[in-house]
Amino acid sequence: AQRVTQPEKLLSVFKGAPVELKCNYSYSGSPELFWYVQYSRQRLQLLLRHISRESIKGFTADLNKGETSFHLKKPFAQEEDSAMYYCALKVTSGSRLTFGEGTQLTVNP
Amino acid sequence: SAVISQKPSRDICQRGTSLTIQCQVDSQVTMMFWYRQQPGQSLTLIATANQGSEATYESGFVIDKFPISRPNLTFSTLTVSNMSPEDSSIYLCSVTNAGGNTDTQYFGPGTRLTVL
Repeated sequence: AQRVTQPEKLLSVFKGAPVELKCNYSYSGSPELFWYVQYSRQRLQLLLRHISRESIKGFTADLNKGETSFHLKKPFAQEEDSAMYYCALKVTSGSRLTFGEGTQLTVNP
Repeated sequence: SAVISQKPSRDICQRGTSLTIQCQVDSQVTMMFWYRQQPGQSLTLIATANQGSEATYESGFVIDKFPISRPNLTFSTLTVSNMSPEDSSIYLCSVTNAGGNTDTQYFGPGTRLTVL
């Protein structure tokens, strides 16, 4: 069965510093990977997905099949980036998501 | 993207009672999911709500405890039956195929349930 691991439950950086939220997965096939974000008092929402290869709010994530990783990166963190971030995996189109445990990011002024 | 609403937004219930949570979407969607997020934990899929057929439950979840209805393509309910304090959690409705995009799931605001 597939599994998603986010090794850091808490991550704290200063404003303007680079940030990397780690995500590793285990799945023998070709998964689709996503990052979801939940800001305080807001609902869970999609941040980005690997097939789009896009940058959202300055965040990027590259799927590394050799290392089975999908780390989320931003070169200069902002205070408004403080939120809970979940990495998620889907094995076939339209099927369910498997979520990691989440990383609470705090960006300090 | 789809606009998803859930009722109630929160509730406090007594042990042994049941609560039905409603999920309403502003457009027709192919798939609807129900997740549970226990305190300090990640999201766990309870079941996939299929329109016109019985829900598909994940390992560890059964229909008697979490009966689900999906009468049409925009609405679903999840009932938490015979509740115990261990059922205290946030319950989330999620949909996919909103706007024709089958790869993105959209989430409702959640229902925060506390069982005393």
